Amino acid sequence: GENVEQHPSTLSVQEGDSAVIKCTYSDSASNYFPWYKQELGKGPQLIIDIRSNVGEKKDQRIAVTLNKTAKHFSLHITETQPEDSAVYFCAASPANFGNEKLTFGTGTRLTIIP
Amino acid sequence: DTGVSQDPRHKITKRGQNVTFRCDPISEHNRLYWYRQTLGQGPEFLTYFQNEAQLEKSRLLSDRFSAERPKGSFSTLEIQRTEQGDSAMYLCASSLELLWGPGANVLTFGAGSRLTVL
Repeated sequence: GENVEQHPSTLSVQEGDSAVIKCTYSDSASNYFPWYKQELGKGPQLIIDIRSNVGEKKDQRIAVTLNKTAKHFSLHITETQPEDSAVYFCAASPANFGNEKLTFGTGTRLTIIP
Repeated sequence: DTGVSQDPRHKITKRGQNVTFRCDPISEHNRLYWYRQTLGQGPEFLTYFQNEAQLEKSRLLSDRFSAERPKGSFSTLEIQRTEQGDSAMYLCASSLELLWGPGANVLTFGAGSRLTVL
C-alpha cells in the first residue's frame, strides 16, 4: 500500500518568514495530494490540494509543488502569521475520482514565533 | 450547513464496555468515511460508505468494530468489548462524488470523537 513520509516533525519559524514542509510517497499510482491543517481539539481542515496533472498551485500565502518523477510534494507558507501555528498533514490517494483512502503523513507541528 | 457533526466529542469508558459514535455528514454529501487518529500520528483510514453501502474496510477494522449508514445519511461506529488500544480520536469525514471540478471528492472532516478506554 501507499506510504507517506513527512518532514520535519516540528518546525519553528519567526513571524513573517517562510515555512516549508516536505512529503514523499511510495505509490506511483497516487494522483491526489491534499494538505490539512489541524488545530488543537479540531478535525483536520483542508488548506490546499493538488492533482497529478499540475506541478504547482497557489492560494494567497500558501503554495504546493509536486514532483511526480521524484514522488515528492511540498507545502510552502510565506509571510507566516501566529495563526498559522498548528499541525499540518500531507496525504496521498491513488483513486482516479474518489479519495476514499487518503494515506496521511505523520504531521508537522509548526510554531510561529512572534 | 453546519459541516460534519460528531457525537459525543469525548467518551471515557472502561475496558470491555461497548461504545457508539455518531456522525452526521454534510447533507448533500453521498460519501462518508471513518478514520482513526492516535496521538502524534496522522489519521488512518478505517472504512467508507457510498450512500448506504459500505464499500471498503481497512484491516484496522477488527471484528469488534462495526459501522453502519442505514439510510445513507448519518453513520454510527460501534466498538464492542473495548480495549485500551482502542483509545484514539475517531474522525468522520464526508465528500460529494464528482467526476471532475475544483471540489471533486474533497474530504471535509468533523471535529472527532475522542475515546479513552481505562
